[in-house]
Amino acid sequence: QVQLQESGPGLVKPSETLSLTCAVSGGSVSGGSVSSGSYYWNWIRQPAGKGLEWIGRLFITGSTNYNPSLKSRVTMSLDTSKNQFSLNLSFVTAADTAVYYCARYDDYEGMDYWGQGTLVTVSS
Amino acid sequence: EVVLTQSPDFQSVTPKEKVTITCRASQSIGVMLHWFQQKPDQSPKLLIKYASQTISGVPSRFSGSGSGTDFTLTINSLAAEDAATYYCHQSSTFPWTFGQGTKVEIK
Repeated sequence: QVQLQESGPGLVKPSETLSLTCAVSGGSVSGGSVSSGSYYWNWIRQPAGKGLEWIGRLFITGSTNYNPSLKSRVTMSLDTSKNQFSLNLSFVTAADTAVYYCARYDDYEGMDYWGQGTLVTVSS
Repeated sequence: EVVLTQSPDFQSVTPKEKVTITCRASQSIGVMLHWFQQKPDQSPKLLIKYASQTISGVPSRFSGSGSGTDFTLTINSLAAEDAATYYCHQSSTFPWTFGQGTKVEIK
């Protein structure tokens, strides 16, 4: 059973960089095969009481797709040695306060595994 | 960007009633549409993938249909544990997007 677990600071100051890590267990971030398709590793966020916003995705090759609304501030990376992937969001403001989720998208299964989410508050 | 518009925003339903939630896309997305259920303080749970494909472990009362721009999630015979917010999500075109959500309350 694949499990994802987000970690990182719960409080970030305005104008600083939000950094989160998603640890993957029960499967490999390098995973995917002809039979199971390809895996893409995603970050999604949800402000309190609001809907879901896709931040971006990362593939094993290192290729990325980011939401244009955040693209200038987002960087995602993969660490296969630690079986985890990361999100950096720079120059944060209060509008970036949200629960951040990591999730796996499988070509055949959709967004099938999610982390439990981690609340990040941007405040001085 | 593909805008997904769900209706209704809120629905109050008695147990065993049938629930229908629609999701309309601003452009054709084929069947690249998925449905999630989110309960308070939980992460979203995949209910239906690729418009109509069922997910192992999800009760059979949940079903999906549609293609192109119009999609439907149906909950047959609503159960008390189905109280949640439901989201549609498209993975056809970047940026991937979600509908605004439909909150289902049990009367």
